[in-house]
Amino acid sequence: GAGVSQSPRYKVAKRGQDVALRCDPISGHVSLFWYQQALGQGPEFLTYFQNEAQLDKSGLPSDRFFAERPEGSVSTLKIQRTQQEDSAVYLCASRAPGGASYEQYFGPGTRLTVT
Amino acid sequence: GNSVTQMEGPVTLSEEAFLTINCTYTATGYPSLFWYVQYPGEGLQLLLKATKADDKGSNKGFEATYRKETTSFHLEKGSVQVSDSAVYFCALLHAGNNRKLIWGLGTSLAVNP
Repeated sequence: GAGVSQSPRYKVAKRGQDVALRCDPISGHVSLFWYQQALGQGPEFLTYFQNEAQLDKSGLPSDRFFAERPEGSVSTLKIQRTQQEDSAVYLCASRAPGGASYEQYFGPGTRLTVT
Repeated sequence: GNSVTQMEGPVTLSEEAFLTINCTYTATGYPSLFWYVQYPGEGLQLLLKATKADDKGSNKGFEATYRKETTSFHLEKGSVQVSDSAVYFCALLHAGNNRKLIWGLGTSLAVNP
């Protein structure tokens, strides 16, 4: 079956622009995560959804970052007034409901470059 | 707080060499531990996992044993191949927080023929 997909794969934004990054999780996966991965670093947690509920947004670095998942499937991460320090790869992951496996399935990421 | 420390890369090996990538963690309770791999141009993939002490995760010739006494989860492979060239990430999922993964910085591995 299809894996997690993200779009666009690459995004170049001028400083101050707003961007929207899309994530399509694996069908039936109720849990969805966003991570930010700076160059040469490990991913850093941003936010977590269970269905449409955003249960944890403790990792969002500022109020310029906003994520939503209104129908419990597709999610959008929006960054307002982008800054150069927002340049990173934004990863989306989803996880199947229940069970003993905690495996998160990752999309290919969106590489955001703010100029 | 929870954290993961990995050995710094890059690691460069010849084909068929033995690989060890060290990973230690700090956590309260009993986290699940993971190794993820990121091949060039691809997304993160789960390589192996262990959910309790003394468990050994294994996949594609890679192994890692959950050592609670040394809070470690070192990745090993007896004979690496060129196709193993990738970035390897150690991560933990805290038992009491069934949500986010806490990641190491990643270790880049290059295997030369």
